[in-house]
Amino acid sequence: DAGVTQTPRHEVAEKGQTIILKCEPVSGHNDLFWYRQTKIQGLELLSYFRSKSLMEDGGAFKDRFKAEMLNSSFSTLKIQPTEPKDSAVYLCASSRDNSDYTFGSGTRLLVI
Amino acid sequence: GDSVTQTEGLVTLTEGLPVKLNCTYQTAYSDVAFFWYVQHLNEAPKLLLRSSTDNKRTEHQGFHATLHKSSSSFHLQKSSVQLSDSALYFCAPLSGGSNAKLTFGKGTKLSVKS
Repeated sequence: DAGVTQTPRHEVAEKGQTIILKCEPVSGHNDLFWYRQTKIQGLELLSYFRSKSLMEDGGAFKDRFKAEMLNSSFSTLKIQPTEPKDSAVYLCASSRDNSDYTFGSGTRLLVI
Repeated sequence: GDSVTQTEGLVTLTEGLPVKLNCTYQTAYSDVAFFWYVQHLNEAPKLLLRSSTDNKRTEHQGFHATLHKSSSSFHLQKSSVQLSDSALYFCAPLSGGSNAKLTFGKGTKLSVKS
């Protein structure tokens, strides 16, 4: 079974740059989530889509973070402009009607 | 909104000893399911246990947990930890009606030494 695919695995960006992270959910899953993972805050929800509709956009992350889901098999997370405090692991997860979540391996972002 | 509190920080144990990782939650919803996820170093989080039945013990891979709605808890236990159990453990309730989603705790790091 194909799991959740995230690209790139690693990203290094200079402060102020725009970066786009990509996610392909498990085929047939209708829920898609973007999380940011840090040691201090743990897993923080950035965005939540159900059947391609944005259900939640993560409040505090609104201003520079934008997630989109143009079709059921692909989602992007844009960070614009990046700041050093955005350095973290970004995880994408999908599920079918909020059953078990399947996570991708994540994108490790370093902003310098 | 929902919130979950886990055993904080790092738990260090010697191989063969028992472990209990605490998890309590607060939610406005009565219909709650509970999950434990495990994340090994540089890997994706993976489902370890789940339960939605009050007072029923759930087991998987040597770990077990019992959902107690009366005390809002879903503690994770194992009678004898192994080196391979070293990982980050997340507790997560699922609630919220039609827009239910998992709310993750901050995670507890378990380090098992020989």
